[in-house]
Amino acid sequence: GIQVEQSPPDLILQEGANSTLRCNFSDSVNNLQWFHQNPWGQLINLFYIPSGTKQNGRLSATTVATERYSLLYISSSQTTDSGVYFCAAVRYSTLTFGKGTMLLVSP
Amino acid sequence: GAVVSQHPSRVICKSGTSVKIECRSLDFQATTMFWYRQFPKQSLMLMATSNEGSKATYEQGVEKDKFLINHASLTLSTLTVTSAHPEDSSFYICSAMVIRDPAGVSYNEQFFGPGTRLTVL
Repeated sequence: GIQVEQSPPDLILQEGANSTLRCNFSDSVNNLQWFHQNPWGQLINLFYIPSGTKQNGRLSATTVATERYSLLYISSSQTTDSGVYFCAAVRYSTLTFGKGTMLLVSP
Repeated sequence: GAVVSQHPSRVICKSGTSVKIECRSLDFQATTMFWYRQFPKQSLMLMATSNEGSKATYEQGVEKDKFLINHASLTLSTLTVTSAHPEDSSFYICSAMVIRDPAGVSYNEQFFGPGTRLTVL
């Protein structure tokens, strides 16, 4: 099956800082999703991005499908951004999750 | 749109009992729903794919007789953990697939429920 690797595994930021999270996948995929899991366990959809770049407020994502990676950018981080960020490779409607990046934003 | 609910959010049960978890798509119909399991500080692992009106498809290593899945309507899938044991304690999350079709291009996106934390004593 597809292998999905995320880096870094952990990240600590000062409020206001910017960060880039990376997701590599081992094979071609139909799509790529980014999620934020909040401290209560709820997964929140951030981006559905097979290729190209999308932006939503302080967050943006870029997927380069030909090179099998995706990046999630967080700008001007806030304490509410804390949590685990997962990417998931989509193939034939099945999601394969990476292990996540745990982000802690301190005030 | 694309809201998925789960009930209960938390359940504690004695070893040997069965527990049913409901997953509902609130504002859309979902022909396909998925059940995941997540252990502390780990990623989500797909357990099974649930299709409305047909038998679920289980991932390798998941016991179908232990984790019974029923998808009787386009808005409801249930997961029943039968004869639960402490090792079944986990966070169970469902998702529902939305099929979008902007400008004639079909694609699928999964939206997740808030999860059910199961503790088996």
